[in-house]
Amino acid sequence: KQEVTQIPAALSVPEGENLVLNCSFTDSAIYNLQWFRQDPGKGLTSLLLIQSSQREQTSGRLNASLDKSSGRSTLYIAASQPGDSATYLCAVRDYSGYALNFGKGTSLLVTP
Amino acid sequence: GAGVSQSPSNKVTEKGKDVELRCDPISGHTALYWYRQSLGQGLEFLIYFQGNSAPDKSGLPSDRFSAERTGGSVSTLTIQRTQQEDSAVYLCASSLAPGELFFGEGSRLTVL
Repeated sequence: KQEVTQIPAALSVPEGENLVLNCSFTDSAIYNLQWFRQDPGKGLTSLLLIQSSQREQTSGRLNASLDKSSGRSTLYIAASQPGDSATYLCAVRDYSGYALNFGKGTSLLVTP
Repeated sequence: GAGVSQSPSNKVTEKGKDVELRCDPISGHTALYWYRQSLGQGLEFLIYFQGNSAPDKSGLPSDRFSAERTGGSVSTLTIQRTQQEDSAVYLCASSLAPGELFFGEGSRLTVL
């Protein structure tokens, strides 16, 4: 069964810093990987989707990379802002099932 | 519609009552997912629909839980004889299978 781990569980940084969130998964035979953001009391907002054949995806200040062989993905946030404060979730879809397998998330606080 | 719509947004019920939660996916999305998010826990997969059929019901926690989807669109998640441990946020997502998932805002269920 695919296990997804996110480190760190929580992170606090001052505004303007660049930061990296980590996601690891146990089965490298993945179909795709998706990063989400969740604000308190809200649903999940899709940030980036990386297909298994891709190495990275970029959207604005966000860059997600994928290294299937090592079972890792990173989400890089450039020039962080207080509005980036949220929980960031990594989810993996593999070939063995239909569901996305989620990590428990990294709770990010960006202080002014 | 423009996004995934879920109703009700909040539901408070008494233990033993039945509840129905509704999900209206993005128009044209053939895949529909139900997840559950309990306080402090990760996202727990419940069920997946492709069209009106549910090839993966593996996540339904007990036979008190059921779901259906009609017309390849709206889905209803039914919980019979609710228990306090059913209290959670129930999240629905849809996609053009097997692509990027888009989530609704969730239905928060509280069982007293």
